[in-house]
Amino acid sequence: GAVVSQHPSRVICKSGTSVKIECRSLDFQATTMFWYRQFPKQSLMLMATSNEGSKATYEQGVEKDKFLINHASLTLSTLTVTSAHPEDSSFYICSARTTGTRETQYFGPGTRLLVL
Amino acid sequence: EDKVVQSPLSLVVHEGDTVTLNCSYEVTNFRSLLWYKQEKKAPTFLFMLTSSGIEKKSGRLSSILDKKELSSILNITATQTGDSAIYLCAVAGTYKYIFGTGTRLKVLA
Repeated sequence: GAVVSQHPSRVICKSGTSVKIECRSLDFQATTMFWYRQFPKQSLMLMATSNEGSKATYEQGVEKDKFLINHASLTLSTLTVTSAHPEDSSFYICSARTTGTRETQYFGPGTRLLVL
Repeated sequence: EDKVVQSPLSLVVHEGDTVTLNCSYEVTNFRSLLWYKQEKKAPTFLFMLTSSGIEKKSGRLSSILDKKELSSILNITATQTGDSAIYLCAVAGTYKYIFGTGTRLKVLA
């Protein structure tokens, strides 16, 4: 199946700093990527839909100035958590959507963020 | 409002048992239904279903979609401890995927 990578896999940072997470589709082009957040023992919560070359679409309640998304190419989307606070600590997962008749989405391995 | 509901929320079985996981949905502009397995990290893809009544199989796992009933089931036969995971159902709507809360399966040796 298709491969999606995420970097870094885990990051610890101090409160007030910004953290950038990269999501890459390795063997296919993805015009659309999704960013999810997952709390312990809960399902995935969609944060935003990232479309190549245009502004991301944020879900209700997600601050666009706090979670900056850039989808500069067909294989790369980045999520930057700005001025991180401890409550931003979570597991962030990206996915990339393939195109065509058998469209599906594949997930990256996730990034565990811990803000101290 | 679009929603996907999975049942049961959690399940504990013994090795060798057969389990059936359910997913029902109300999603405008349904395009496909997907099943994922999530262990410690991100979900891994299992099946994508678009047509009613056609069973997809992969080893001991199988799944089928019923568009009339707006539901799908995921069957796992002869369960093993390695099947312990959260099984997520997602439905692709027009622009995004709507996830169910997942079924947490624990298989005891």
